Amino acid sequence: GEDVEQSLFLSVREGDSSVINCTYTDSSSTYLYWYKQEPGAGLQLLTYIFSNMDMKQDQRLTVLLNKKDKHLSLRIADTQTGDSAIYFCAESIPGNTGKLIFGQGTTLQVKP
Amino acid sequence: DGGITQSPKYLFRKEGQNVTLSCEQNLNHDAMYWYRQDPGQGLRLIYYSQIVNDFQKGDIAEGYSVSREKKESFPLTVTSAQKNPTAFYLCASSMYLAGNEQFFGPGTRLTVL
Repeated sequence: GEDVEQSLFLSVREGDSSVINCTYTDSSSTYLYWYKQEPGAGLQLLTYIFSNMDMKQDQRLTVLLNKKDKHLSLRIADTQTGDSAIYFCAESIPGNTGKLIFGQGTTLQVKP
Repeated sequence: DGGITQSPKYLFRKEGQNVTLSCEQNLNHDAMYWYRQDPGQGLRLIYYSQIVNDFQKGDIAEGYSVSREKKESFPLTVTSAQKNPTAFYLCASSMYLAGNEQFFGPGTRLTVL
């Protein structure tokens, strides 16, 4: 079946690194995505990784993919108060639906 | 300035009424989607459309209807048959239907009074 799981809450101090974790069940996923949602707003695409990659780095963001364990993580270096938001991971399912399966979202709280 | 717009931002409805949520994109994307978001949950797919005059049911289509008469527009109607319509509704689009990142609008918060 298709399922994506995330922990619900993470609290860090400003300047520390944040690591948000995600597990998924569908081994045929082609792309895995990280989205950010600020209060009352839509989702903003942060980054994505193709399933045949292990790592992708984009400025302060590092995505790690362990396909064997079906585990995805997002590391935010030097976390700022503006990074406080809900972070969703999502996987795309092969086929012609374009369907994304979303996790429940992890609320990141950054304390000054 | 390309993007996706949704209107209204807030919508209040009395029980038994149908309401229509607007979604417009000027990204020239073929595919469009409607999701529902409830507190503490991920997004659930209501309907999606690959191309003009074509749309398919998602996971939770009951009580909803859509149309796709123009490439730019994908309105969602929440009917009185939807038993629990209070939620945050998000529209998204992508260049193609599969294997492509989706871009989201700012959302519409619907409250049933």
